[in-house]
Amino acid sequence: AQSVTQLDSQVPVFEEAPVELRCNYSSSVSVYLFWYVQYPNQGLQLLLKYLSGSTLVKGINGFEAEFNKSQTSFHLRKPSVHISDTAEYFCAVMGDEKLTFGTGTRLTIIP
Amino acid sequence: DTGVSQNPRHKITKRGQNVTFRCDPISEHNRLYWYRQTLGQGPEFLTYFQNEAQLEKSRLLSDRFSAERPKGSFSTLEIQRTEQGDSAMYLCASHRRGSGNTIYFGEGSWLTVV
Repeated sequence: AQSVTQLDSQVPVFEEAPVELRCNYSSSVSVYLFWYVQYPNQGLQLLLKYLSGSTLVKGINGFEAEFNKSQTSFHLRKPSVHISDTAEYFCAVMGDEKLTFGTGTRLTIIP
Repeated sequence: DTGVSQNPRHKITKRGQNVTFRCDPISEHNRLYWYRQTLGQGPEFLTYFQNEAQLEKSRLLSDRFSAERPKGSFSTLEIQRTEQGDSAMYLCASHRRGSGNTIYFGEGSWLTVV
């Protein structure tokens, strides 16, 4: 079985400041990790994924994430956020042929 | 590649009525998933198909829910005798097994039961 914990339900950040959204996972099988973004009233869009190889993964919109096996984490980062980054962010782990999601982190950008 | 398409996007129904949602996956994607998402929560797995075969159903999928994918292309999710607790967004996703494990989601179908 697999599970994902996103400890921060809401993260307010000033525009142009850096941000980190935290994600911890547990999985009994090979680890494939994902970050999705959801804008209001829309579906999920893939930001980035880790399947294997380099532990630093770069995604769309300037986001990146680092896979840390020893800490079972996959935190999402962006060095400078923009108003358009306001959205809900979901971390997910693939296992048993399906995705299991965390409860999400709402990122709010303060002008 | 036109993406995963879902309709209707919004549905308001009275308690006790039946509703059906349709999902058209990305062409040549052999896997199709249904998820449910309530306000403030992450998506929860309901069921998935490999071609026309339904391979797994979550215990969240009560007897009032049925999903089909008759020809291995589009899928329908029917909810019978709707209850207020069924109000949620129903997300469809598709995936081509062996193509890098990326699952692509549709825009979702919002259900409001009044």
